Amino acid sequence: GAGVSQSPSNKVTEKGKDVELRCDPISGHTALYWYRQSLGQGLEFLIYFQGNSAPDKSGLPSDRFSAERTGGSVSTLTIQRTQQEDSAVYLCASSLEGGGNIQYFGAGTRLSVL
Amino acid sequence: QKEVEQDPGPLSVPEGAIVSLNCTYSNSAFQYFMWYRQYSRKGPELLMYTYSSGNKEDGRFTAQVDKSSKYISLFIRDSQPSDSATYLCAMKVTGGGNKLTFGTGTQLKVEL
Repeated sequence: GAGVSQSPSNKVTEKGKDVELRCDPISGHTALYWYRQSLGQGLEFLIYFQGNSAPDKSGLPSDRFSAERTGGSVSTLTIQRTQQEDSAVYLCASSLEGGGNIQYFGAGTRLSVL
Repeated sequence: QKEVEQDPGPLSVPEGAIVSLNCTYSNSAFQYFMWYRQYSRKGPELLMYTYSSGNKEDGRFTAQVDKSSKYISLFIRDSQPSDSATYLCAMKVTGGGNKLTFGTGTQLKVEL
């Protein structure tokens, strides 16, 4: 596609449920990033994938968060046993090479945990 | 203290004004500096990026980096209502991974 695509655009879930968020990067981009944007907090790095290298998971806030990238393209961010503090906009970005200087963002998934 | 500080605003200016947006940072290893614009319920879009110190101009936008003061700025000339958005500064170190560290964003409103 022309840009980074994320689905769903909105997700409402109950506390304790698991959720899966999907990101389809720009075709040909080898690097993929997940960020979280909370009100008044700015964007917080979560995880980074580059090609077949081991992902940089240094930003994941707890072991309830995990992500995978299948076939070097689509990525799924999974949050298990959701908590109210997980409510945020989850943004995905991709870049053409590992340098990551120019990251192109999707519109995000707005997650609300009730 | 956050690595990148940015005044959240909101900042309200009349159409045609010159807008100055700023960020300060504490990590002297930052070498790449970016400004993103984010409209409501949209993803951030890259406006400007610079490497190390200096100025860069693109149309109505000018980015400045002063590494000695750990201070970056974005100037918008002849501001338009369509410039109303949240402006995020972002920074990255060289060779230290690929994550961007963002400021919290400044909300700008340009009024008719």
